[in-house]
Amino acid sequence: GQNIDQPTEMTATEGAIVQINCTYQTSGFNGLFWYQQHAGEAPTFLSYNVLDGLEEKGRFSSFLSRSKGYSYLLLKELQMKDSASYLCAVRDGDYKLSFGAGTTVTVRA
Amino acid sequence: IAGITQAPTSQILAAGRRMTLRCTQDMRHNAMYWYRQDLGLGLRLIHYSNTAGTTGKGEVPDGYSVSRANTDDFPLTLASAVPSQTSVYFCASSGGGETDTQYFGPGTRLTVL
Repeated sequence: GQNIDQPTEMTATEGAIVQINCTYQTSGFNGLFWYQQHAGEAPTFLSYNVLDGLEEKGRFSSFLSRSKGYSYLLLKELQMKDSASYLCAVRDGDYKLSFGAGTTVTVRA
Repeated sequence: IAGITQAPTSQILAAGRRMTLRCTQDMRHNAMYWYRQDLGLGLRLIHYSNTAGTTGKGEVPDGYSVSRANTDDFPLTLASAVPSQTSVYFCASSGGGETDTQYFGPGTRLTVL
Protein backbone atom coordinates (compact mmCIF):
# COMPACT_ATOMS: atom_id res chain seq x y z
CA GLY A 1 0.00 0.00 0.00
CA GLN A 2 0.88 3.66 -0.05
CA ASN A 3 2.06 5.64 2.96
CA ILE A 4 1.71 9.42 2.93
CA ASP A 5 2.35 11.41 6.10
CA GLN A 6 1.63 15.05 6.86
CA PRO A 7 1.03 16.89 10.14
CA THR A 8 -2.55 16.96 11.39
CA GLU A 9 -2.75 20.62 12.37
CA MET A 10 -0.79 23.87 12.11
CA THR A 11 -1.55 27.37 13.38
CA ALA A 12 -0.02 30.60 12.12
CA THR A 13 -0.57 34.33 12.28
CA GLU A 14 -1.95 36.46 9.47
CA GLY A 15 0.90 37.72 7.29
CA ALA A 16 3.28 34.96 8.38
CA ILE A 17 4.70 31.98 6.47
CA VAL A 18 3.76 28.34 7.04
CA GLN A 19 5.44 25.24 5.65
CA ILE A 20 3.49 21.99 5.42
CA ASN A 21 5.66 18.90 5.05
CA CYS A 22 4.67 15.68 3.33
CA THR A 23 6.65 12.45 3.26
CA TYR A 24 5.66 9.49 1.14
CA GLN A 25 6.45 5.88 0.34
CA THR A 26 4.62 4.64 -2.74
CA SER A 27 4.85 1.92 -5.38
CA GLY A 28 6.23 4.00 -8.22
CA PHE A 29 6.00 7.77 -8.61
CA ASN A 30 4.32 9.84 -11.28
CA GLY A 31 3.91 13.21 -9.64
CA LEU A 32 2.85 14.90 -6.41
CA PHE A 33 -0.15 17.17 -6.00
CA TRP A 34 -1.26 19.63 -3.35
CA TYR A 35 -4.95 20.42 -2.94
CA GLN A 36 -6.72 22.96 -0.74
CA GLN A 37 -10.01 22.04 0.88
CA HIS A 38 -12.17 24.48 2.81
CA ALA A 39 -14.55 23.00 5.36
CA GLY A 40 -17.60 21.49 3.69
CA GLU A 41 -16.25 22.02 0.19
CA ALA A 42 -14.48 20.03 -2.52
CA PRO A 43 -10.69 19.83 -2.81
CA THR A 44 -9.29 22.32 -5.31
CA PHE A 45 -5.99 21.91 -7.15
CA LEU A 46 -3.05 24.03 -5.96
CA SER A 47 0.17 22.64 -7.39
CA TYR A 48 1.91 19.78 -9.16
CA ASN A 49 5.52 18.60 -8.97
CA VAL A 50 7.06 15.77 -10.93
CA LEU A 51 10.71 16.88 -11.03
CA ASP A 52 12.90 17.83 -8.09
CA GLY A 53 12.85 21.47 -7.15
CA LEU A 54 10.59 24.37 -6.35
CA GLU A 55 7.44 25.41 -8.20
CA GLU A 56 6.17 28.90 -7.36
CA LYS A 57 2.63 30.14 -7.94
CA GLY A 58 2.03 33.51 -6.36
CA ARG A 59 1.88 33.18 -2.57
CA PHE A 60 2.08 29.39 -2.77
CA SER A 61 5.19 27.33 -3.56
CA SER A 62 5.72 23.58 -3.60
CA PHE A 63 8.98 21.68 -3.36
CA LEU A 64 9.82 18.09 -4.23
CA SER A 65 12.74 15.78 -3.50
CA ARG A 66 12.09 12.40 -5.10
CA SER A 67 15.19 10.77 -3.60
CA LYS A 68 14.00 11.68 -0.09
CA GLY A 69 10.31 11.00 -0.71
CA TYR A 70 9.59 14.50 0.54
CA SER A 71 7.59 17.53 -0.44
CA TYR A 72 6.50 20.74 1.21
CA LEU A 73 3.90 23.39 0.51
CA LEU A 74 4.89 26.92 1.48
CA LEU A 75 2.19 29.48 2.11
CA LYS A 76 3.45 33.07 2.27
CA GLU A 77 1.76 36.28 3.45
CA LEU A 78 -0.97 34.26 5.10
CA GLN A 79 -4.51 35.53 4.85
CA MET A 80 -7.57 34.52 6.87
CA LYS A 81 -9.02 32.86 3.77
CA ASP A 82 -6.06 30.46 3.74
CA SER A 83 -7.57 28.68 6.77
CA ALA A 84 -8.32 25.27 5.25
CA SER A 85 -7.09 21.69 4.98
CA TYR A 86 -4.17 21.04 2.65
CA LEU A 87 -3.98 17.60 1.07
CA CYS A 88 -0.80 15.99 -0.22
CA ALA A 89 -1.44 13.38 -2.94
CA VAL A 90 0.99 11.13 -4.79
CA ARG A 91 0.32 9.53 -8.16
CA ASP A 92 1.77 6.05 -8.09
CA GLY A 93 3.08 3.68 -10.74
CA ASP A 94 -0.49 2.70 -11.69
CA TYR A 95 -1.37 6.38 -12.16
CA LYS A 96 -3.70 6.34 -9.16
CA LEU A 97 -3.74 9.14 -6.58
CA SER A 98 -3.15 8.32 -2.92
CA PHE A 99 -3.94 11.07 -0.44
CA GLY A 100 -2.55 11.96 2.93
CA ALA A 101 -5.04 12.63 5.71
CA GLY A 102 -4.60 16.38 5.29
CA THR A 103 -3.18 19.23 7.37
CA THR A 104 -5.63 21.71 8.87
CA VAL A 105 -4.14 25.20 8.87
CA THR A 106 -5.69 27.83 11.11
CA VAL A 107 -4.75 31.46 10.45
CA ARG A 108 -5.17 33.78 13.43
CA ALA A 109 -5.39 37.54 13.34
CA ILE B 1 -19.98 25.41 -17.81
CA ALA B 2 -20.75 23.55 -14.58
CA GLY B 3 -17.67 21.30 -14.39
CA ILE B 4 -18.70 18.37 -12.23
CA THR B 5 -22.07 18.06 -10.57
CA GLN B 6 -23.14 15.53 -7.96
CA ALA B 7 -26.56 14.61 -6.65
CA PRO B 8 -27.93 14.50 -4.10
CA THR B 9 -26.09 17.05 -1.94
CA SER B 10 -26.92 15.03 1.14
CA GLN B 11 -28.97 11.97 2.01
CA ILE B 12 -30.03 10.05 5.08
CA LEU B 13 -30.59 6.38 4.29
CA ALA B 14 -31.84 3.40 6.23
CA ALA B 15 -29.47 0.43 6.40
CA GLY B 16 -30.23 -2.19 3.78
CA ARG B 17 -31.59 0.29 1.25
CA ARG B 18 -30.18 0.70 -2.25
CA MET B 19 -28.80 4.11 -3.20
CA THR B 20 -27.26 5.60 -6.34
CA LEU B 21 -25.09 8.68 -6.18
CA ARG B 22 -24.98 10.60 -9.43
CA CYS B 23 -22.01 12.32 -11.02
CA THR B 24 -21.95 14.24 -14.30
CA GLN B 25 -19.15 16.21 -15.91
CA ASP B 26 -19.27 18.48 -18.94
CA MET B 27 -15.52 18.79 -19.55
CA ARG B 28 -15.31 15.73 -21.86
CA HIS B 29 -12.76 14.19 -19.53
CA ASN B 30 -11.95 10.55 -20.23
CA ALA B 31 -11.19 9.47 -16.66
CA MET B 32 -13.57 9.64 -13.69
CA TYR B 33 -13.18 8.59 -10.06
CA TRP B 34 -15.16 8.04 -6.89
CA TYR B 35 -13.63 8.74 -3.48
CA ARG B 36 -14.90 8.64 0.06
CA GLN B 37 -13.58 11.03 2.69
CA ASP B 38 -13.64 10.10 6.36
CA LEU B 39 -12.24 12.09 9.27
CA GLY B 40 -8.60 11.27 9.87
CA LEU B 41 -8.35 8.96 6.87
CA GLY B 42 -8.24 11.31 3.93
CA LEU B 43 -9.65 10.57 0.51
CA ARG B 44 -9.76 6.91 -0.50
CA LEU B 45 -10.41 5.68 -4.03
CA ILE B 46 -13.49 3.45 -4.40
CA HIS B 47 -13.74 2.88 -8.16
CA TYR B 48 -12.44 4.55 -11.28
CA SER B 49 -13.00 4.58 -15.03
CA ASN B 50 -10.24 5.44 -17.49
CA THR B 51 -12.67 5.77 -20.39
CA ALA B 52 -16.31 5.15 -21.24
CA GLY B 53 -17.12 1.44 -21.11
CA THR B 54 -14.35 0.51 -18.66
CA THR B 55 -14.19 0.51 -14.86
CA GLY B 56 -11.70 -0.57 -12.22
CA LYS B 57 -11.51 -1.16 -8.47
CA GLY B 58 -9.76 1.23 -6.14
CA GLU B 59 -8.61 0.85 -2.57
CA VAL B 60 -12.04 0.35 -0.94
CA PRO B 61 -14.46 -1.12 -3.55
CA ASP B 62 -16.45 -3.57 -1.40
CA GLY B 63 -20.16 -2.75 -1.19
CA TYR B 64 -20.03 -0.36 -4.15
CA SER B 65 -20.52 -0.72 -7.89
CA VAL B 66 -20.14 1.70 -10.80
CA SER B 67 -20.97 1.91 -14.48
CA ARG B 68 -19.70 4.15 -17.29
CA ALA B 69 -22.16 4.02 -20.16
CA ASN B 70 -20.97 7.34 -21.63
CA THR B 71 -18.25 9.96 -21.16
CA ASP B 72 -20.26 12.33 -18.98
CA ASP B 73 -21.90 10.14 -16.32
CA PHE B 74 -20.38 7.92 -13.63
CA PRO B 75 -22.97 6.76 -11.06
CA LEU B 76 -21.98 5.01 -7.84
CA THR B 77 -24.40 2.43 -6.40
CA LEU B 78 -24.61 1.07 -2.88
CA ALA B 79 -26.59 -2.15 -3.29
CA SER B 80 -27.41 -2.58 0.40
CA ALA B 81 -26.19 0.31 2.51
CA VAL B 82 -24.49 -0.28 5.87
CA PRO B 83 -23.64 2.29 8.61
CA SER B 84 -19.90 2.05 7.81
CA GLN B 85 -20.68 3.62 4.44
CA THR B 86 -21.59 6.87 6.19
CA SER B 87 -19.14 9.31 4.61
CA VAL B 88 -18.70 12.21 2.23
CA TYR B 89 -18.43 10.99 -1.35
CA PHE B 90 -16.54 12.95 -3.99
CA CYS B 91 -16.56 12.36 -7.72
CA ALA B 92 -13.59 13.59 -9.76
CA SER B 93 -12.50 13.65 -13.37
CA SER B 94 -9.28 14.18 -15.29
CA GLY B 95 -8.65 14.92 -18.92
CA GLY B 96 -5.07 13.79 -19.49
CA GLY B 97 -2.37 16.19 -20.55
CA GLU B 98 0.96 16.81 -18.86
CA THR B 99 -0.36 16.89 -15.31
CA ASP B 100 -3.61 14.92 -15.73
CA THR B 101 -4.96 16.85 -12.75
CA GLN B 102 -8.10 15.54 -11.08
CA TYR B 103 -10.93 18.02 -10.53
CA PHE B 104 -13.53 17.33 -7.87
CA GLY B 105 -17.29 17.69 -7.65
CA PRO B 106 -18.98 19.33 -4.64
CA GLY B 107 -19.56 16.03 -2.82
CA THR B 108 -22.49 14.06 -1.40
CA ARG B 109 -22.84 13.70 2.37
CA LEU B 110 -24.38 10.28 3.05
CA THR B 111 -25.59 9.06 6.42
CA VAL B 112 -26.64 5.43 6.81
CA LEU B 113 -28.66 4.68 9.94
